Amino acid sequence: SQTIHQWPATLVQPVGSPLSLECTVEGTSNPNLYWYRQAAGRGLQLLFYSVGIGQISSEVPQNLSASRPQDRQFILSSKKLLLSDSGFYLCAWKHETNRPYGYTFGSGTRLTVV
Amino acid sequence: AQTVTQSQPEMSVQEAETVTLSCTYDTSENNYYLFWYKQPPSRQMILVIRQEAYKQQNATENRFSVNFQKAAKSFSLKISDSQLGDTAMYFCAFMTSYDKVIFGPGTSLSVIP
Repeated sequence: SQTIHQWPATLVQPVGSPLSLECTVEGTSNPNLYWYRQAAGRGLQLLFYSVGIGQISSEVPQNLSASRPQDRQFILSSKKLLLSDSGFYLCAWKHETNRPYGYTFGSGTRLTVV
Repeated sequence: AQTVTQSQPEMSVQEAETVTLSCTYDTSENNYYLFWYKQPPSRQMILVIRQEAYKQQNATENRFSVNFQKAAKSFSLKISDSQLGDTAMYFCAFMTSYDKVIFGPGTSLSVIP
């Protein structure tokens, strides 16, 4: 079966510290992968998406970056966190032939920058 | 620019009653997909229902149904026989030809016992 894993579930980091959130997909190959951020009480904002290894598209300029070192691995990073980076981060995947079904989401990471 | 609008930030409904959540979108594309996602307090995003724009028939999934008006770019969600477990944030979403999903701001639905 196809599953998506995202970790950690919660994270509290000081301002200026680095960040690494990981997302992996199992049971599929060549998925499209996405990182979204959800600020408190608000909708989802697309941050990055990737259609293949090493291919990253950024939707908004910001303090974050993404990488895809392996086919089923998607990493969200920051060198120095800002208070405004706090939020709920969701990873999602979509198989290229699964278009009518939209996304499958991971369980999310709640990031608090203090 | 492609956008999704949900004009009702919060709604409430009595248990067993019916409620309709509104959604409008803006796009110049002719082929696309529309979705309603549910986010309960656990914050897990769950797909509720989907609609392909080229299909005129409204999608239905058990107690959930949509009213898709392509010309008006409207995609409302009707929940029948509301249950306490339906309490959640509901997001209307639109998938572009580039397979990016654009979400609306969400509607917080509370089912009152």
